[in-house]
Amino acid sequence: KAGVTQTPRYLIKTRGQQVTLSCSPISGHRSVSWYQQTPGQGLQFLFEYFSETQRNKGNFPGRFSGRQFSNSRSEMNVSTLELGDSALYLCASSLGTGTDTQYFGPGTRLTVL
Amino acid sequence: SQKIEQNSEALNIQEGKTATLTCNYTNYSPAYLQWYRQDPGRGPVFLLLIRENEKEKRKERLKVTFDTTLKQSLFHITASQPADSATYLCALLLMDSNYQLIWGAGTKLIIKP
Repeated sequence: KAGVTQTPRYLIKTRGQQVTLSCSPISGHRSVSWYQQTPGQGLQFLFEYFSETQRNKGNFPGRFSGRQFSNSRSEMNVSTLELGDSALYLCASSLGTGTDTQYFGPGTRLTVL
Repeated sequence: SQKIEQNSEALNIQEGKTATLTCNYTNYSPAYLQWYRQDPGRGPVFLLLIRENEKEKRKERLKVTFDTTLKQSLFHITASQPADSATYLCALLLMDSNYQLIWGAGTKLIIKP
């Protein structure tokens, strides 16, 4: 079974631009969660999508948004990029039933100049 | 306030010894707790899950305990090896959380040969 894939793996943007990151979950998984991780920080939860609906949301500004498609693939968008948005963005897929584990992708390393 | 605490300082252990990592939480009623391993620049990988009605869970050289009275989980690696060096994260699923995991910041473990 193929793992979680994220594209692109690396991205360099400048302040003010916007970016879209993509995540393809494991086949059969209906939940996709997005996290931001910066050096020395733990996983900061952005949001979770389950069956195309946002089920949970973290404490991030509205510049961070996401969506999920009918095939469970998910995209995350960050508008008006700031230097502080430089981070490793991870997505994780799961069955979404509550007792299952999360399978993480390799992440997208975003650098904002 | 609600929080999860893991040792922020790196834990240095001599090869062959048992490494013990701590995950403390306050004001939560977790349904279960998970432990993950994360290597630099990569997504976390699931290791073990323990439910609130379980005291201990084992998997090869790994052992997890869960004390809901003390609000603490201990993660043990016996006969530690340099390859065990990584950051270890704990995550709680709360009973009324709409399936959202709450993450600790992680503890960096260094096994010295």
